[in-house]
Order: sequence, then structure tokens, then C-alpha cells
Amino acid sequence: DAGVIQSPRHEVTEMGQEVTLRCKPISGHDYLFWYRQTMMRGLELLIYFNNNVPIDDSGMPEDRFSAKMPNASFSTLKIQPSEPRDSAVYFCASSLAGVNNEQFFGPGTRLTVL
Amino acid sequence: KNQVEQSPQSLIILEGKNCTLQCNYTVSPFSNLRWYKQDTGRGPVSLTIMTFSENTKSNGRYTATLDADTKQSSLHITASQLSDSASYICVVTRNTGNQFYFGTGTSLTVIP
Repeated sequence: DAGVIQSPRHEVTEMGQEVTLRCKPISGHDYLFWYRQTMMRGLELLIYFNNNVPIDDSGMPEDRFSAKMPNASFSTLKIQPSEPRDSAVYFCASSLAGVNNEQFFGPGTRLTVL
Repeated sequence: KNQVEQSPQSLIILEGKNCTLQCNYTVSPFSNLRWYKQDTGRGPVSLTIMTFSENTKSNGRYTATLDADTKQSSLHITASQLSDSASYICVVTRNTGNQFYFGTGTSLTVIP
């Protein structure tokens, strides 16, 4: 298996633009997590899905952030409009049944908002 | 307040030496505690996951301990290698609502 796949790996955009990050979880995993990591705040959980259904989105910072999982093999995290403070590395992770199981992380998307 | 604190913030050791990283938490009710290794520019990789009933768990040269009474965990690295240079993150899961609480990590540098 190729592991968790994220795209793009790097994204540079201007303030106010829409940004869409993509994730393909490991085949067969039914939990998918979106994280954000910055130097100041460390790693933060934004939202997670179980069987394509959002379970906990309490970590989503504000309405500018939205996440979808239209099927078991694809998820998106969208920021609209983007702001400089959104600059961070965004990770997607997936796991087998049970939120207590090992999570496998993707390589991350480094987002820079100018 | 549910918190996870790691120490030290950074650590430099000589190749071949052992080291111990600490994680103290106040998260309650407790579900599990994870240690991750994160190489620069890459995603975290799981080292160990421990539940309430587990006191120790090993993964190669990495050994994690958990004292659920004192709410402390440690990660011991034996015979360090240059490839151990990374950030080590402690994450505690709260049993209610499956919420995750993250430490800010310990940055380990192993020098030859």
C-alpha cells in the first residue's frame, strides 16, 4: 500500500484565495483525521470522520474551514477565504476501526498564505 | 483543565547513549497515551500506544512506560542512533468523546 497520500505537498497562495487540500486514506481504513501543525501551537486535531461521516469537528478553527469525505477513498479540507494565520502544515491520517488504533499519517501539505 | 506537558523541550545526546523523555498529563478520564516520532519535514509515525492497564510497551530500542496513578509517561531510547534525531510527541486521548490532547514535543538531536 502506498500509505496516506496528500496533495499538493506545497501550496503558496494569497490572502483571500480559496485553498483545497486533498487526502487519500489507506485502503480499508474507516477513520480519517485532519490535523494542523504550527511552531506556535504544535499539532492540533481539526476534524475526524468515521465511515465518511464527520464525528467531531470541534477543532475546526472557524467557518472558513470545511471538510468533506464524499467516499471512503477521498477527503478534502477547504479554506475559504484563506488568511496568513492559516499558514501551517496540514496532515491527514487514517486508521482502522476504532479511534484508539494506530493512526498512519500522510506527508503533509505545507500551506503558505501571503 | 486537560493538558499534556513534555520535558525537556530539547535534548542533545551523543550517539550510543541512552535518554529518557517525559510526558505528564492531567487528561481525564484517560483512554490511551501515544508516543509519536516525527522526522523533520515528515508526518508523525506511531511508536507506541498504551491503555490504562499497560505499564510498559517496547518497540525496538524504544520503551514507553505509563503510570496511570501519577499520570506520567516516559519514552526511553536505548543506544541512540543518528536516525533518532527527531521530534517526539506525546498524545493523550480522553475517554469521553474521544478527544485528543497533544504535547508540544521534545526535539532530540543525536550527535556523532
